Amino acid sequence: ETGVTQTPRHLVMGMTNKKSLKCEQHLGHNAMYWYKQSAKKPLELMFVYNFKEQTENNSVPSRFSPECPNSSHLFLHLHTLQPEDSALYLCASSQDSGAGANVLTFGAGSRLTVL
Amino acid sequence: GQNIDQPTEMTATEGAIVQINCTYQTSGFNGLFWYQQHAGEAPTFLSYNVLDGLEEKGRFSSFLSRSKGYSYLLLKELQMKDSASYLCASMDSNYQLIWGAGTKLIIKP
Repeated sequence: ETGVTQTPRHLVMGMTNKKSLKCEQHLGHNAMYWYKQSAKKPLELMFVYNFKEQTENNSVPSRFSPECPNSSHLFLHLHTLQPEDSALYLCASSQDSGAGANVLTFGAGSRLTVL
Repeated sequence: GQNIDQPTEMTATEGAIVQINCTYQTSGFNGLFWYQQHAGEAPTFLSYNVLDGLEEKGRFSSFLSRSKGYSYLLLKELQMKDSASYLCASMDSNYQLIWGAGTKLIIKP
């Protein structure tokens, strides 16, 4: 496989459930990102990892917990979510973070619905 | 504060030309990106401008004016497959991307 792969593509969960989103990149990139995309709103950066180290956490509620075991894999652990957390969660990777022409390669996203 | 403005939705006709505008206000500037996102798919990179002027890539061109805080994406010879959302993003002095809400482009036959 090539590019950035996200699983699952769709997830429905109750507010008391615990689930995880998975992202894998086969591009040899060093930086990985989680974004939240809500309808008619700008992309919201949630977390950034560079060489497996978290370099950015944009005041994300603790009910979202990222994990980056290596440069190719990124997880977003979800627990006790709220209905307003329903959105498309996009994973992206780039050669590294904090550079000029830093082109992001995105996955197709995980569509999350919280009931 | 930092802000990106782009139209919410535009409609154009197959075979025609359309220009999608983007104005930005960011703390410092390290370039302007355009991404295309088809419904239910990943955003994909279209262009990056850091110097003033027009960059052409086939049917798509991107323009930047740093003094005006303004960019546009020009799509020529529109095809039905160009129906998508187009995302504008400015990179600030900390190399953070500030995103617009996207412009949904509808192409009619």
